[in-house]
Amino acid sequence: GQQLNQSPQSMFIQEGEDVSMNCTSSSIFNTWLWYKQDPGEGPVLLIALYKAGELTSNGRLTAQFGITRKDSFLNISASIPSDVGIYFCAGQPPSGGGADGLTFGKGTHLIIQP
Amino acid sequence: EAQVTQNPRYLITVTGKKLTVTCSQNMNHEYMSWYRQDPGLGLRQIYYSMNVEVTDKGDVPEGYKVSRKEKRNFPLILESPSPNQTSLYFCASRIYNEQFFGPGTRLTVL
Repeated sequence: GQQLNQSPQSMFIQEGEDVSMNCTSSSIFNTWLWYKQDPGEGPVLLIALYKAGELTSNGRLTAQFGITRKDSFLNISASIPSDVGIYFCAGQPPSGGGADGLTFGKGTHLIIQP
Repeated sequence: EAQVTQNPRYLITVTGKKLTVTCSQNMNHEYMSWYRQDPGLGLRQIYYSMNVEVTDKGDVPEGYKVSRKEKRNFPLILESPSPNQTSLYFCASRIYNEQFFGPGTRLTVL
């Protein structure tokens, strides 16, 4: 099945810095989703991308659907303490069989040092 | 408020004692699923349901059962829990390709 490689695994940054993380796949996806998970909570959808090349913002967050349809990027500008958490990418493969579910990356742990 | 709810949020049980984790969504979504989350392994799908009375196995279905008698509810059943089912479980519902997660159930099987 599809594999998603998410990097980096963890990031230690200073408050105010910009953050970049990405996901790459061995096969194409029709949709890319980015989630954030706070400790003890379920993942919350941040941004959904539906079209190759699409660039979408949600406040200080910006995500892009790679032109090859095999990757996606998430950037956070001017990080603040509440940005701490685990960020997951997820991809939706082209429909047509199997579980038709989402494939998730293993997450990027974002830790912000004051 | 549109949401996915799960109960209980925390559960400690013993090997072999049947348990059910309930899941309910109020968004009228047809697609629902269950995941488990383990350190280093990320989120793995256990079962999913594309509509009432339609369920299918995900990536890690062994040891679990589900039912979908109504659109809003999708309980996860562990007939005989074992310690390797100790995990954090999430129910989710989906419309189009946007998936919404419940708050999670932390299960410990002793």
